Amino acid sequence: EPEVTQTPSHQVTQMGQEVILRCVPISNHLYFYWYRQILGQKVEFLVSFYNNEISEKSEIFDDQFSVERPDGSNFTLKIRSTKLEDSAMYFCASISPRSTDTQYFGPGTRLTVL
Amino acid sequence: GNSVTQMEGPVTLSEEAFLTINCTYTATGYPSLFWYVQYPGEGLQLLLKATKADDKGSNKGFEATYRKETTSFHLEKGSVQVSDSAVYFCALSRNTGGFKTIFGAGTRLFVKA
Repeated sequence: EPEVTQTPSHQVTQMGQEVILRCVPISNHLYFYWYRQILGQKVEFLVSFYNNEISEKSEIFDDQFSVERPDGSNFTLKIRSTKLEDSAMYFCASISPRSTDTQYFGPGTRLTVL
Repeated sequence: GNSVTQMEGPVTLSEEAFLTINCTYTATGYPSLFWYVQYPGEGLQLLLKATKADDKGSNKGFEATYRKETTSFHLEKGSVQVSDSAVYFCALSRNTGGFKTIFGAGTRLFVKA
């Protein structure tokens, strides 16, 4: 069964550094998402992406964040200048055009900002 | 706005006990409802879903019924195992617009042998 993949599984960075989290959604999916889960807390929506543009973003998704689909397969989340409070698990998800009621989640990238 | 409220944890049960984790939602229209499970150190796994009123989702002995009249989607299992120890998230997704998923706060379940 096709899966959403994410790399790296764990990223450690210094405060103020830029990080790029990578995701490969399932190949025929059209909607793409990033979610964040701070340790021990709920999963929060960050941004949705469709037709090469952001379709919705949350209050968390400020100017420090950006998303891109640089080619036909990757979907990236960039944090320009990381803060301690960006430490979290970041999940990518995608939706099939034939079954829009279910999101397929990747395994997550754990980001640790020191 | 749309939201999900689920019972606070942790919930601690003995093996073979009956499990109920309550979940209620607020949403306009007719959302799809989900339960996700997160095992320690792992990502989110879809446990079950229901897409319309009175639907029952089931998987691995877990069940939940979409109750529109009470806006609830309670998770149940008749006999839990130690391996069911995890965090369970109730969630909803609107079937319009961007289809984003809104999660509850999660309920941690501990099952003792």
